Amino acid sequence: DVQLVQSGAEVKKPGESLKISCKASGYSFTDQWIAWVRQMPGKGLEWMGIIYPGDSDTRYSPSFQGQVTISADKSISTAYLQWTSLKASDTAMYYCARRGRYGAYCDYWGQGTLVTVSS
Amino acid sequence: EIVLTQSPGTLSLSPGERATLSCRASQSVTSSYLAWYQQKPGQAPRLLIYGASSRATGIPDRFSGSGSGTEFTLTISRLEPEDFAVYYCQQYGSSPRTFGQGAKVEIK
Repeated sequence: DVQLVQSGAEVKKPGESLKISCKASGYSFTDQWIAWVRQMPGKGLEWMGIIYPGDSDTRYSPSFQGQVTISADKSISTAYLQWTSLKASDTAMYYCARRGRYGAYCDYWGQGTLVTVSS
Repeated sequence: EIVLTQSPGTLSLSPGERATLSCRASQSVTSSYLAWYQQKPGQAPRLLIYGASSRATGIPDRFSGSGSGTEFTLTISRLEPEDFAVYYCQQYGSSPRTFGQGAKVEIK
């Protein structure tokens, strides 16, 4: 079975750095893109960007370009989302999701990682 | 960027009734690259429909999608208790990929 298991909830202070993870199993990690999606408290879904673990080709939504870094380590089938300097406005649930076979929809999702940034 | 507008924002219905959700795009969605997701409180979204009308694996046939161009619809033929949730559309024909703001189906 395809599974995406994300790292646990984080509580950070503004200005701190953070890297959250998404471990994939049940399929060939290097053959399908992994996306990251943000959901702010009580709000809708926002596409952040996507990475192809096979060659680390990464595409960012303009709203998130320069704000986060998406990466992957194919040796351990894990994708990452990282920040160098968190802001209170980064408080949100972050989901990783696998790109579907026929296009950039998301067919499998991780359980989400809640990031809380507060002084 | 393609803006997706979902309507109505909230739909109040009873179990057994038919639900019709609309997703309108600000520009034509390439090749009907439109998906629908269901999200329940405290859960990750679940893929229902891709390619505007193809049901994802394991999705009951009471869920159907239709439309093309700028107008898309998700229909739930007979609401089951587990269908009360928030539904999102997403276009993936153009970059950046975008989602609608969501539509809630609540129990009347």
